[in-house]
Amino acid sequence: DVVMTQSPLSLPVTLGQPASISCRSSQSLVFSDGKIYLNWFHQRPGQSPRRLIYKVSNRDSGVPDRFSGSGSGTDFTLKISRVEAEDVGIYFCMQGTHWPLTFGGGTKVEI
Amino acid sequence: ELQFLASGGGLVQPGGSLRLSCAASGFTFSNYAMSWVRQAPGKGLEWVSSLSGSGGSTYYADSVEGRFTISRDNAKNTLYLQLNSLRADDTGVYYCAKEDASTSYGQMGYWGQGTLVTVSS
Repeated sequence: DVVMTQSPLSLPVTLGQPASISCRSSQSLVFSDGKIYLNWFHQRPGQSPRRLIYKVSNRDSGVPDRFSGSGSGTDFTLKISRVEAEDVGIYFCMQGTHWPLTFGGGTKVEI
Repeated sequence: ELQFLASGGGLVQPGGSLRLSCAASGFTFSNYAMSWVRQAPGKGLEWVSSLSGSGGSTYYADSVEGRFTISRDNAKNTLYLQLNSLRADDTGVYYCAKEDASTSYGQMGYWGQGTLVTVSS
């Protein structure tokens, strides 16, 4: 199985400051079609996950442009340009390239 | 507006069974693959199973293969997950999620609110 390793596990942030989360996969996430199926999700306490980013760098509809995704191969990053209070919660990366689908362990972002 | 109403969770003894349902609305249900993802209390996310838009292709995590069965009724816009031979480590919130296309997997753009399954004697 592809192991998704996130760091850090916990990320204290300051409002208005940037933040960055890393996700590393145990093998390349390049699919046979040449695309990379790497997603980022955000989960607030007591809520369902919400996808923020798909295929490494594409923002979902309604996601603020302060969120950006980047990376290639096995190393990926989610960046928040200026943290806002609503950004607290847990962030998960997930790969959709290989079966079984696997998630990172999560990064808890708190002010 | 896309909506998902998950139901069927509850308290069940080890070895017991449950059937989860996820009623969807706001989109053409049969055009999209669907998945179930679970989350143990205080833990991360674990993919459980996926199903193509037609229902003809199914995929399972090793941890549930042979015990869980995913299905759908496209006439009723409803996704199901039959859980048999339940174990304590099956406890958690089960989310249904809509994939981005009929045979697209791991691209879960929308999630339901989840239903809690507790396996305990």
